[in-house]
Amino acid sequence: EPEVTQTPSHQVTQMGQEVILRCVPISNHLYFYWYRQILGQKVEFLVSFYNNEISEKSEIFDDQFSVERPDGSNFTLKIRSTKLEDSAMYFCAITGTVNEKLFFGSGTQLSVL
Amino acid sequence: RKEVEQDPGPFNVPEGATVAFNCTYSNSASQSFFWYRQDCRKEPKLLMSVYSSGNEDGRFTAQLNRASQYISLLIRDSKLSDSATYLCVVKPQAGTALIFGKGTTLSVSS
Repeated sequence: EPEVTQTPSHQVTQMGQEVILRCVPISNHLYFYWYRQILGQKVEFLVSFYNNEISEKSEIFDDQFSVERPDGSNFTLKIRSTKLEDSAMYFCAITGTVNEKLFFGSGTQLSVL
Repeated sequence: RKEVEQDPGPFNVPEGATVAFNCTYSNSASQSFFWYRQDCRKEPKLLMSVYSSGNEDGRFTAQLNRASQYISLLIRDSKLSDSATYLCVVKPQAGTALIFGKGTTLSVSS
């Protein structure tokens, strides 16, 4: 099973601050995803990334969010000005092909105060 | 209509029981189907894919009914370690992201 490491495991930030969440796949994968899960709610799709471009994004993924793969290995999610409602568990996921199963990282718990 | 609907439960069963979860999806063109398992405050983990012909993996059996847009998961001989939330997951069409149901919570007691 592919492995994905996410850092940090917990992030506490003040409202309005910028945060960067990181994802490092252990092996080479083509497709990267960010999902989030607000406490007690379902897992929600944010964005998919393929070949260094966004391939799909949800309505949640507004101008406050951005993704990039700056050095060919790390895959980051940036929230420019955090809001209270951004508090959630953020999961990075990977897959080898577009129709393959997703494998998730252990998540970053983001708390916005 | 919600894209993927599940009975949230909880299902409370004794060890050794058989339990079944159901899921319905709204997009008739959906292509791929999965069951994931999620432990409290952990990441979802793939349990099994769901195929039209039905498939089995040990104590777990998954079924798909495309005509009714309905997916099921059967767990036989429940173990304490099966206690978790079971997520029904659907891929609407090629190239699109997976859509998750809210999950069904199972609690197995001794």
